[in-house]
Amino acid sequence: EPEVTQTPSHQVTQMGQEVILRCVPISNHLYFYWYRQILGQKVEFLVSFYNNEISEKSEIFDDQFSVERPDGSNFTLKIRSTKLEDSAMYFCASSLPAEGMYLNYGYTFGSGTRLTVV
Amino acid sequence: GQSLEQPSEVTAVEGAIVQINCTYQTSGFYGLSWYQQHDGGAPTFLSYNALDGLEETGRFSSFLSRSDSYGYLLLQELQMKDSASYFCAVRTEGLFVFGPGTRLSVLP
Repeated sequence: EPEVTQTPSHQVTQMGQEVILRCVPISNHLYFYWYRQILGQKVEFLVSFYNNEISEKSEIFDDQFSVERPDGSNFTLKIRSTKLEDSAMYFCASSLPAEGMYLNYGYTFGSGTRLTVV
Repeated sequence: GQSLEQPSEVTAVEGAIVQINCTYQTSGFYGLSWYQQHDGGAPTFLSYNALDGLEETGRFSSFLSRSDSYGYLLLQELQMKDSASYFCAVRTEGLFVFGPGTRLSVLP
């Protein structure tokens, strides 16, 4: 079964450092997303990406965050200057286009990158 | 704004039936999904309802009432492996907004 692959599985970084989280979405998917989950809390939307541009972003996704699809397979999330409160599990997801409002295939999530900022 | 509510925890025994409710208030509504997440794992897609009524997929069923802004996930013949967190997620125009999650514990 096709998978969304995320690397690294765990990243430890010092406050103020830049990190890049990497994702390889499923090859025929067109929509890409980043979500994060602080330990024990709900899954929070960060950003969606379609046709090589950001389609939506949340309030969490401020100027410290950026996304990029540098080639035909990778999708990256960069945090420019990490803060302690950025410590969380970061999930990449991808999906096919929804067939109108009545048919939706859901997201396929990667296994996540646990980011620890110290 | 977006607001979804779910019970924080539910406990049931093996073989039982459990219902996890979700109420929502969102700006824009296309449908309601359910995701399962085991500890340390990624959320996995279970179901999607865009129309009122019950959708059945094996031991799991999902229900939606758009007029009540309410849905539920029904799990039958519970197994130990069903112990996990379950998230409802509302599809707005562009994306899914997730609820806080319900932790299901299945006891022997």
